[in-house]
Amino acid sequence: NAGVTQTPKFQVLKTGQSMTLQCAQDMNHNSMYWYRQDPGMGLRLIYYSASEGTTDKGEVPNGYNVSRLNKREFSLRLESAAPSQTSVYFCASSEATGNNQPQHFGDGTRLSIL
Amino acid sequence: AQSVTQPDIHITVSEGASLELRCNYSYGATPYLFWYVQSPGQGLQLLLKYFSGDTLVQGIKGFEAEFKRSQSSFNLRKPSVHWSDAAEYFCAVGAFGDMRFGAGTRLTVKP
Repeated sequence: NAGVTQTPKFQVLKTGQSMTLQCAQDMNHNSMYWYRQDPGMGLRLIYYSASEGTTDKGEVPNGYNVSRLNKREFSLRLESAAPSQTSVYFCASSEATGNNQPQHFGDGTRLSIL
Repeated sequence: AQSVTQPDIHITVSEGASLELRCNYSYGATPYLFWYVQSPGQGLQLLLKYFSGDTLVQGIKGFEAEFKRSQSSFNLRKPSVHWSDAAEYFCAVGAFGDMRFGAGTRLTVKP
């Protein structure tokens, strides 16, 4: 029962390095999301993909890029990591976008930028 | 813009006691409301959701939540807490194709 799988689980980077976080879902969901979770701030949406071939900015997209490689996979790239991007990153998926669609989450990637 | 407020950052209850976690939202119409739970080192798991109809909704693990339009609230309740309920709980509102999460309430359960 894999659901949403994120890799890696942990990563430490130096300022300025680049990194791609991988996400794959096996539920045949159309929509996928990337969030960051910071203490006291809940989850904030970085980017989302309503369907294969489309991506849109969320609440906090600056410093990130995404690629919806196919229906299963949605990657998040940090081109030049900054300490402010130290966070826990969650990927999620849902059957479709829409106000009433619950999301299924991966276990997160804990990223530290030194 | 829609927003979600969880007034309690941390709550401690004794095992077997009742629980109520508060959630207030700001949105012009009836939103879609969710409660998620996050155990340490895990992602978020959906507990329950409200879209319309009966304002008292039942979820998994014995949780329920009540939508009160007049108070813009969607509080989560459980009659008897178990030690395994210790986790962080997030209220979320879905509106305009976007989902906004509250900052979370961390629940500690005393033996």
